[in-house]
Amino acid sequence: DGGITQSPKYLFRKEGQNVTLSCEQNLNHDAMYWYRQDPGQGLRLIYYSQIVNDFQKGDIAEGYSVSREKKESFPLTVTSAQKNPTAFYLCASSLDSAGTRALHFGNGTRLTVT
Amino acid sequence: AQRVTQPEKLLSVFKGAPVELKCNYSYSGSPELFWYVQYSRQRLQLLLRHISRESIKGFTADLNKGETSFHLKKPFAQEEDSAMYYCALSEPGGSYIPTFGRGTSLIVHP
Repeated sequence: DGGITQSPKYLFRKEGQNVTLSCEQNLNHDAMYWYRQDPGQGLRLIYYSQIVNDFQKGDIAEGYSVSREKKESFPLTVTSAQKNPTAFYLCASSLDSAGTRALHFGNGTRLTVT
Repeated sequence: AQRVTQPEKLLSVFKGAPVELKCNYSYSGSPELFWYVQYSRQRLQLLLRHISRESIKGFTADLNKGETSFHLKKPFAQEEDSAMYYCALSEPGGSYIPTFGRGTSLIVHP
């Protein structure tokens, strides 16, 4: 069953700790994305990657970091520098980065930092 | 600056009533526009895209370049249409990364 898998579903961390969210896809998609979903704010782009070993900042990249060492994996690290890390995080992929391509989303990870 | 505007946070209708979820955008060229839907406890998924000019689950959306709108419509709402709906825009040839609106929660009452 092809798709995008995000893990874990729920994650709890104490303030000041870095945490890494996993995103794996077996769709053979080139492009991958991380969005943050907050109530009333829609989806905001954190980082995206069009190809392995390359990625670009999105609109709200501060306090986050990513890597793209393999085509199927695009982990997101929420660092202690992120001021409001508690949120719902969505990973997505698309066949390529052409504007007409639909995004395929994972089920999301809900991160709570206390 | 926000390029996709969904003016309604919440839209509440009764079953069988027509529904229109509004989406306005700001872009000078020819954008690619999409509607995504998130049903309760399901992942966000594509509903339809304007280039396909298709009808999915009875929903249609027409790109109106003059009004810069891409409203989602359905003539007779069903309870199973209750969900969160997001309008998204891509700019082919430019920054093609999709930009999403803030979403509209549709509730269809029995």
